Amino acid sequence: AQSVTQLGSHVSVSEGALVLLRCNYSSSVPPYLFWYVQYPNQGLQLLLKYTTGATLVKGINGFEAEFKKSETSFHLTKPSAHMSDAAEYFCAVTAQRGNTGKLIFGQGTTLQVKP
Amino acid sequence: KAGVTQTPRYLIKTRGQQVTLSCSPISGHRSVSWYQQTPGQGLQFLFEYFSETQRNKGNFPGRFSGRQFSNSRSEMNVSTLELGDSALYLCASSYTQGSLYEQYFGPGTRLTVT
Repeated sequence: AQSVTQLGSHVSVSEGALVLLRCNYSSSVPPYLFWYVQYPNQGLQLLLKYTTGATLVKGINGFEAEFKKSETSFHLTKPSAHMSDAAEYFCAVTAQRGNTGKLIFGQGTTLQVKP
Repeated sequence: KAGVTQTPRYLIKTRGQQVTLSCSPISGHRSVSWYQQTPGQGLQFLFEYFSETQRNKGNFPGRFSGRQFSNSRSEMNVSTLELGDSALYLCASSYTQGSLYEQYFGPGTRLTVT
């Protein structure tokens, strides 16, 4: 069984400040991990994903995340927040094995960026 | 390349009615998944189709059903609508089945049940 916990349903940062969105996962099999972003009235857009190999993953728009197996975490960071980063962010997990793309999502974190 | 398209974008139905939502995947993509998004339950997996066959199903009642056509387009149907079915229904397509392949999401259909 798999699950995802996102710590903090709302995060507020000032423009130019560090963004840190937390994600912890539980998986009985090796996971693939994802971060998606959702802007109002839109679908989900993939920011980055971890499959295998390098544990520090770089994504679009300056975001990156680090897979830490020992901590079962996959936190999302960005060194300097921009107003356009305001959106809802979802962490997701799926199993490496099997022929399914079923994603298990966290509850989401709304990022507010203050000028 | 055109993205995933979903029709209609907005829909208002009455309790007890049924509804059909449509999803056209990215050209060349053969796998389609459906998700329900609500403020209370978040994003939940409904089902996944590949080559016109349902490959995986989430924990939803039998009122929720779907199908995939030979051109990979997919429809989902909800019968006997309940107020709790009000949600954003998202469709995602990927090149083929399997967790390694990126899923591309459509803009969703916003269903309101009154």
